[in-house]
Amino acid sequence: AQKITQTQPGMFVQEKEAVTLDCTYDTSDQSYGLFWYKQPSSGEMIFLIYQGSYDEQNATEGRYSLNFQKARKSANLVISASQLGDSAMYFCAMRVISGGSNYKLTFGKGTLLTVNP
Amino acid sequence: GAGVSQTPSNKVTEKGKYVELRCDPISGHTALYWYRQSLGQGPEFLIYFQGTGAADDSGLPNDRFFAVRPEGSVSTLKIQRTERGDSAVYLCASSSGASGRTGELFFGEGSRLTVL
Repeated sequence: AQKITQTQPGMFVQEKEAVTLDCTYDTSDQSYGLFWYKQPSSGEMIFLIYQGSYDEQNATEGRYSLNFQKARKSANLVISASQLGDSAMYFCAMRVISGGSNYKLTFGKGTLLTVNP
Repeated sequence: GAGVSQTPSNKVTEKGKYVELRCDPISGHTALYWYRQSLGQGPEFLIYFQGTGAADDSGLPNDRFFAVRPEGSVSTLKIQRTERGDSAVYLCASSSGASGRTGELFFGEGSRLTVL
């Protein structure tokens, strides 16, 4: 079974500063994918970034980067130059790629990020 | 529409009643998922459709929950004899296939169910 742990219930950051949201995962599978989703108050889950377990480089998407440390089983999200619109819940999730359940996402409990002006 | 559409956005019902939640996925997406998000938690998997058939319904909590997708597009999640513990946000998502580079899911805004 897979497990995602997000230890920060809430985080605060000043506008224009960088912030790191922590995520650790647990799986016995070797082939998996890690995701970060943003959930604003509207409720929609918005895909931000993806990292495959065999990707040699850390994923980046604009202001988002994923600090992937495979040996530590961590996949922290780094948001650079925070904006007020970044205030939202952030969820880390994983999907096992091998095997018959490669469609199923397992989510953490989320981190509420507040960006202060 | 451009995104995943869910109706109703809010539903308040009384314990014991029957409810239906509807999901209209992104056009052309063959895979459809239902997740349930309880207060303070991340979404939890309920059921996965590939086309018209439920490929995996292992996340449905009990036999009061049922979902259909008769024409491979719109899906309805049906909850019989609702209980207060069913109160949650029910999220629907779709994707263009179960495999692929990321397999990212596109989510709707959810249906918030409150059982009094």
